[in-house]
Amino acid sequence: KNEVEQSPQNLTAQEGEFITINCSYSVGISALHWLQQHPGGGIVSLFMLSSGKKKHGRLIATINIQEKHSSLHITASHPRDSAVYICAVRKGGGGSNYKLTFGKGTLLTVNP
Amino acid sequence: DGGITQSPKYLFRKEGQNVTLSCEQNLNHDAMYWYRQDPGQGLRLIYYSQIVNDFQKGDIAEGYSVSREKKESFPLTVTSAQKNPTAFYLCASSLQGWSYNEQFFGPGTRLTVL
Repeated sequence: KNEVEQSPQNLTAQEGEFITINCSYSVGISALHWLQQHPGGGIVSLFMLSSGKKKHGRLIATINIQEKHSSLHITASHPRDSAVYICAVRKGGGGSNYKLTFGKGTLLTVNP
Repeated sequence: DGGITQSPKYLFRKEGQNVTLSCEQNLNHDAMYWYRQDPGQGLRLIYYSQIVNDFQKGDIAEGYSVSREKKESFPLTVTSAQKNPTAFYLCASSLQGWSYNEQFFGPGTRLTVL
């Protein structure tokens, strides 16, 4: 079983819909990242969080450390949000806190 | 503008040839990383460097080599020993590797071995 699991793998939505992408992990972490990968391949960091909730524009990321779960929400989705969204965790403690463990990604398609 | 550049964007090589992928950053970051991405899989760490003239193997280092002679540059060589080199390669950097810092990614190089 992968240490980081994302769901769903694929998600198709209509413009304007509220989107939720989930990430569950099975290890202790010091931080969790949400990344966005556009069709060209480049990756942009959206959020880095270790507790609670962060908001940036129409994007909201939450994390529940006790339940080992994070969600990425997109409000009022738009076709330009179409991308692969990747969850990555930084394991806690020790000398390996530079390393990220990645989920396989969620492919989001928003239709006009 | 500050950022990470990778070149070339697309690279084709014949089987058995070594090939070097370029990664340059002008963010003054100490740490740099190389990842490999395959369809349907998460990114996997190949090598990382926390400081100039020092680097460590990641999870899938076999068949790859790196150097870190300058702070801003971290080239990756895919050798003929890499059994399945066709993949998308991403370079990243962070302010410091040993502390809690966000990683910034380059645009990637898609390598196809014919």
